[in-house]
Amino acid sequence: AQSVSQHNHHVILSEAASLELGCNYSYGGTVNLFWYVQYPGQHLQLLLKYFSGDPLVKGIKGFEAEFIKSKFSFNLRKPSVQWSDTAEYFCAASRRGTDKLIFGTGTRLQVFP
Amino acid sequence: DVKVTQSSRYLVKRTGEKVFLECVQDMDHENMFWYRQDPGLGLRLIYFSYDVKMKEKGDIPEGYSVSREKKERFSLILESASTNQTSMYLCASSSSGTGGDGYTFGSGTRLTVV
Repeated sequence: AQSVSQHNHHVILSEAASLELGCNYSYGGTVNLFWYVQYPGQHLQLLLKYFSGDPLVKGIKGFEAEFIKSKFSFNLRKPSVQWSDTAEYFCAASRRGTDKLIFGTGTRLQVFP
Repeated sequence: DVKVTQSSRYLVKRTGEKVFLECVQDMDHENMFWYRQDPGLGLRLIYFSYDVKMKEKGDIPEGYSVSREKKERFSLILESASTNQTSMYLCASSSSGTGGDGYTFGSGTRLTVV
């Protein structure tokens, strides 16, 4: 069955610390990969996406993610987090050619000043 | 600014009531989706639609139905609300094609069933 796994459920960091959130997917065939962010009280927003090409994808607000096909992973990174990055982060995947997204369970990030 | 609008931000309903959650998008998107979001479980797909009058079951369709009479509107129906349907409900839309554009989400409806 298709699935997306996020292993970090709750991450607590101080400002300026580096961030890496894990995401693994279980899909047959070619996939599209996404990271969404949900700030407190706000709707889900697209952070970045990968379809093909360069496996290192850059998104908004200094975030990036690397697609490693051999590891079925799409980890999210940021070199230096800010208090305003406090949010819940969701990894998602869809099979190429479809629009049906499967989401991971989310990672809650808290950044303290 | 493009939008997905969910009619209610908060709803409180009684057990056994029939509940309608409405979603409207103004982007002329073909695809529309209903998810529920629960702590520790992420987003789980209830139903989706790729076209008017078309619907497909997602991963957790039990206790729900949907209606899509017009392209811009996708309604989620709880036939007989139960307390285990207390949740945040999210509507989303996307354009058809490669599936690579991702979704635009509404702000969500927090439903409490008492």
